[in-house]
Amino acid sequence: EAGVTQFPSHSVIEKGQTVTLRCDPISGHDNLYWYRRVMGKEIKFLLHFVKESKQDESGMPNNRFLAERTGGTYSTLKVQPAELEDSGVYFCASSQGGYSGANVLTFGAGSRLTVL
Amino acid sequence: GENVEQHPSTLSVQEGDSAVIKCTYSDSASNYFPWYKQELGKRPQLIIDIRSNVGEKKDQRIAVTLNKTAKHFSLHITETQPEDSAVYFCAASKGGSYIPTFGRGTSLIVHP
Repeated sequence: EAGVTQFPSHSVIEKGQTVTLRCDPISGHDNLYWYRRVMGKEIKFLLHFVKESKQDESGMPNNRFLAERTGGTYSTLKVQPAELEDSGVYFCASSQGGYSGANVLTFGAGSRLTVL
Repeated sequence: GENVEQHPSTLSVQEGDSAVIKCTYSDSASNYFPWYKQELGKRPQLIIDIRSNVGEKKDQRIAVTLNKTAKHFSLHITETQPEDSAVYFCAASKGGSYIPTFGRGTSLIVHP
């Protein structure tokens, strides 16, 4: 089966510009997560979609970040305008729906964002 | 919310030695503890996990132990090989649809 796909793999932009990251989860996975890792720190939760609905966006840093999940399929994360502290690796992960058992996440390879 | 602490941040060993990475968690309701391995330039991948109803789980050279009372769990790698070099992340969650909370990661370097 195809894994979680993220695009672009690396983006270099200047402060004040806009960047949109895209994630294609595993087909059939209702849960989609965005995480961010800044160098040397934890993989920090940003937000969680269940199908097309935002289930939890408590980790979003501020209103410069906007996430969408069109039709419950792929998701985009837009940063506008980008600031220096937004640099890091943005990971997308997906998992099957349901409330029983373990919530096993499958990660994408990440999108590295560098803001100059 | 849950808080996961992971140590050490960097671990350097000689090939053949054992490596141990330790994590603590804060939420006593957490009951699922996965470990992910991220090789350079690749995606984090689940390598082993443990649920709170067991104290230890092994898979070949990898084992994970869990102490619910102390709220800590550890990853043990025996007979390390250069291909074990990677960043390892621990995580804790309440299972089901709950969102895993990750540690800071441990960069393991295995010298040939």
